[in-house]
Amino acid sequence: GAVVSQHPSWVICKSGTSVKIECRSLDFQATTMFWYRQFPKQSLMLMATSNEGSKATYEQGVEKDKFLINHASLTLSTLTVTSAHPEDSSFYICSARDLEGRGFDTGELFFGEGSRLTVL
Amino acid sequence: QKEVEQNSGPLSVPEGAIASLNCTYSDRGSQSFFWYRQYSGKSPELIMFIYSNGDKEDGRFTAQLNKASQYVSLLIRDSQPSDSATYLCAVSRFNAGNNRKLIWGLGTSLAVNP
Repeated sequence: GAVVSQHPSWVICKSGTSVKIECRSLDFQATTMFWYRQFPKQSLMLMATSNEGSKATYEQGVEKDKFLINHASLTLSTLTVTSAHPEDSSFYICSARDLEGRGFDTGELFFGEGSRLTVL
Repeated sequence: QKEVEQNSGPLSVPEGAIASLNCTYSDRGSQSFFWYRQYSGKSPELIMFIYSNGDKEDGRFTAQLNKASQYVSLLIRDSQPSDSATYLCAVSRFNAGNNRKLIWGLGTSLAVNP
C-alpha cells in the first residue's frame, strides 16, 4: 500500500518557538494532503486541506498565521506551528490522497505515523 | 448535537464473542461512511467503508448502514485480544472549499478479554 512518512514522530520544544512537521508520500504523488490534530481522548479534528501548488484551505477556527502549511511538491507537505504554546501540545497527523484519487473516495486515506508535540 | 456520535465505552467483550459498535450521524446528506481502528499513540487505519444501505462483509468485520435511521454499525466476529483498540466512525461531506472532508466521531474503546 501507499506509504506516508511523517517526521519527527515526537518533539519537545519551549514555549514561543516554532516547530516544523514534515509529511512525505514515499511511493506515490500526493495531490492533496490533510492535516489533523488529535487531543487525548478526542476525535481527529481536520485543521486544513492542502493541494499541491496552491494555498491550503483552513477549517473554521484554525489560525492560518499560526499553523503554516506548505505543499510545494507532490511528495511533501509541511506544517509549521509558529510561536508554540502549551495548549498547542497535541498529536498531529497528516494523510494524503494520490493522483488517481485513491486515498479518499474509498476511505483509504494514507496516514502518516503522527507527530506528538509537547510544548513546555 | 455532535455531527458524528459514538458511545465512548469502554466496550468489553470476551474473546471469541461478537463486538457491536454503533455510530449515528446528523447530516442526512452524508454519503460515505468509514470505520477506522486506532491503537494508542498510532494513526488510524481503515477497516471498512460503506456507501449503500445494508450490510457489507469483509472477513470478520461487517459494516451495516441504515440511512433512514442515520446510523452505521460495525460488527466484529470472533473477537481477538488484538482487536482491542479505539474504533473511529467517520462520515464524509464537503467543506467550504468544496473539498470533501471526513467528520470523525470520538471513537469507541473496545477491550477484548482473553
